[in-house]
Amino acid sequence: EAGVTQFPSHSVIEKGQTVTLRCDPISGHDNLYWYRRVMGKEIKFLLHFVKESKQDESGMPNNRFLAERTGGTYSTLKVQPAELEDSGVYFCASSRRQGLGVPEAFFGQGTRLTVV
Amino acid sequence: AQTVTQSQPEMSVQEAETVTLSCTYDTSESDYYLFWYKQPPSRQMILVIRQEAYKQQNATENRFSVNFQKAAKSFSLKISDSQLGDAAMYFCAYTRNYGGSQGNLIFGKGTKLSVKP
Repeated sequence: EAGVTQFPSHSVIEKGQTVTLRCDPISGHDNLYWYRRVMGKEIKFLLHFVKESKQDESGMPNNRFLAERTGGTYSTLKVQPAELEDSGVYFCASSRRQGLGVPEAFFGQGTRLTVV
Repeated sequence: AQTVTQSQPEMSVQEAETVTLSCTYDTSESDYYLFWYKQPPSRQMILVIRQEAYKQQNATENRFSVNFQKAAKSFSLKISDSQLGDAAMYFCAYTRNYGGSQGNLIFGKGTKLSVKP
């Protein structure tokens, strides 16, 4: 079984540019989460999809961030325009639908985004 | 709001020895889950161990065990017989129990564990 995969693994962009991060969850996982870790700080929740619907987007920092999960499969997180403070590691995680035992989130390797 | 605190930014242990990583949390909920995740350098985070708040018995997974003190809101991780492969960043995390589903995880800042040969 393939794990959660994220593309790209690293991205360096200039301030003002646009970047799109992609996450492929484990097949059959309805829940998909995005998190971000800014250097030296905690990993912070961004948003949660259940299939293609946004269940909770309370962690999205501002309207420069747009997440989609068309068809309930892979998800993209677009930052437009990117600012210096957007630099960090963006993690994606997926888990099975609710009611199937103790929840466990499986994480991708993360995308390290550097805005210069 | 729920918070998770890891007070040890870095820890070091000698190979084959035992080390304990600390974690405290704050919540007004009574039903929740606690986790320890491990992130080796340049690799993805993996679940080490989890604890359901309604279970009094401390969780154990091979060389990893927890000391869950619900009243004190403490959730420490003990690694016995430390191995070089245990070197990693360890994150303590919390989530409410949404009827068996997992909500968003709340993480501590992490503890970087080094293992000396």
